Amino acid sequence: NAGVTQTPKFQVLKTGQSMTLQCAQDMNHNSMYWYRQDPGMGLRLIYYSASEGTTDKGEVPNGYNVSRLNKREFSLRLESAAPSQTSVYFCASKVGEAFFGQGTRLTVV
Amino acid sequence: EDQVTQSPEALRLQEGESSSLNCSYTVSGLRGLFWYRQDPGKGPEFLFTLYSAGEEKEKERLKATLTKKESFLHITAPKPEDSATYLCAVQLTGFQKLVFGTGTRLLVSP
Repeated sequence: NAGVTQTPKFQVLKTGQSMTLQCAQDMNHNSMYWYRQDPGMGLRLIYYSASEGTTDKGEVPNGYNVSRLNKREFSLRLESAAPSQTSVYFCASKVGEAFFGQGTRLTVV
Repeated sequence: EDQVTQSPEALRLQEGESSSLNCSYTVSGLRGLFWYRQDPGKGPEFLFTLYSAGEEKEKERLKATLTKKESFLHITAPKPEDSATYLCAVQLTGFQKLVFGTGTRLLVSP
């Protein structure tokens, strides 16, 4: 049972480049989430999908887009990366008693 | 504005020295409060759910309690392997999302 799988684990981007972070869960959960974690800021919600076919903005959505591809997969896209988006990104499934992926450490130079 | 505040930011204990971590919240309506443990370089791992004031949950050396304004995570006779960051989060009534506190970094020395 893999749980929540995120790819890639590490990424370095140049300012202005685009990329997509992938997330998949195999627990048949309805809801999925993307967070970023910065020192001293805790986990902040970027976007979430309460169920297949819906997405909603979280606390810090600017500069990001998401796609709920199907019940298993929820991707996060950075269209034009900025240094302020340097962070550790976590995908999670299920609200409350959530399951988290291992994280993607993204550096934008 | 809905807020979750954790204290202290960091806590250093000797092995066997019991203590408590605090999570205070100001929210419009509480659906549930959740505690997570996060080890360096890893995603948070779920520990406890609390739904109503007076509720308590225990797991090994950890006990979580809830009042109408705050939650405590009590650590009894901690061991070095309890060293981690402990995160508190709340789910608001009617919302399918969590609001996290900034966490408490716990270091337990042998």
